[in-house]
Amino acid sequence: EAEVAQSPRYKITEKSQAVAFWCDPISGHATLYWYRQILGQGPELLVQFQDESVVDDSQLPKDRFSAERLKGVDSTLKIQPAELGDSAMYLCASSPHRGSTDTQYFGPGTRLTVL
Amino acid sequence: AQSVAQPEDQVNVAEGNPLTVKCTYSVSGNPYLFWYVQYPNRGLQFLLKYITGDNLVKGSYGFEAEFNKSQTSFHLKKPSALVSDSALYFCAVREEGTALIFGKGTTLSVSS
Repeated sequence: EAEVAQSPRYKITEKSQAVAFWCDPISGHATLYWYRQILGQGPELLVQFQDESVVDDSQLPKDRFSAERLKGVDSTLKIQPAELGDSAMYLCASSPHRGSTDTQYFGPGTRLTVL
Repeated sequence: AQSVAQPEDQVNVAEGNPLTVKCTYSVSGNPYLFWYVQYPNRGLQFLLKYITGDNLVKGSYGFEAEFNKSQTSFHLKKPSALVSDSALYFCAVREEGTALIFGKGTTLSVSS
C-alpha cells in the first residue's frame, strides 16, 4: 500500500537555527499539504500545493517559514530561524486531486523540538 | 467560518461494549465530514467520510458514523470495542473550496 514518506522522523534543534523537513507524497497525487499539530490539538493547515503551485498559504508564518514543491512531486518545509513555539509535529498529507471531497492521506510526521 | 467540536477529551469503554465518539460541526454550506485516528507518534489514518447520500457511513475496522443534519453532528460509533481501538480520534470538516478543519481530538481508552 502506497504511503506518504517524511523525514526526519524526529528533529531537535536550538532556537535561531534553521531546520528543514522533507515529504514525498503518494505517487500520482497532485495535491500536497503541510500541517502543524501542537500537542493536545488537531492539525492546522500551513500550506497547500496543487502540483508545483501554492494554493493556500494563508496560515503560513512567512517571516520564518517557507515551502516549496519545485517539480510538483516531493516538497520541503523550512523554518529559519526556529523559535521555541515551533515545537510541534509537522505532518505532510497528499490527495489525488484538488477536490474538497478528496481523502487526505497523512505521513508519519516529523516531531520538532526547539531548545 | 466553519468549525468542529469534540466535546469529550476522553472516552472510556470496556472491551466488547459499544463506543461513541461525539462530533458536532458548524458550516455555512454543505459539510464534508471526516474521521481520522492517530496512534502515538504517528500520522493520521483515515477511517471514513461523509460527502452526500446515505446518512450512515461505514468505514475501516468496523467503525461507522451517522450524519445528522438537524443536530449538526457526525458521531463515530462501533458496536463492539477492542483494546486495540485505544487511540486519539479526530473529526474534521470541510466546505467546498476551504481548508480541512480538525477538532481537538478525543482520546479513546478501551479496557480489557
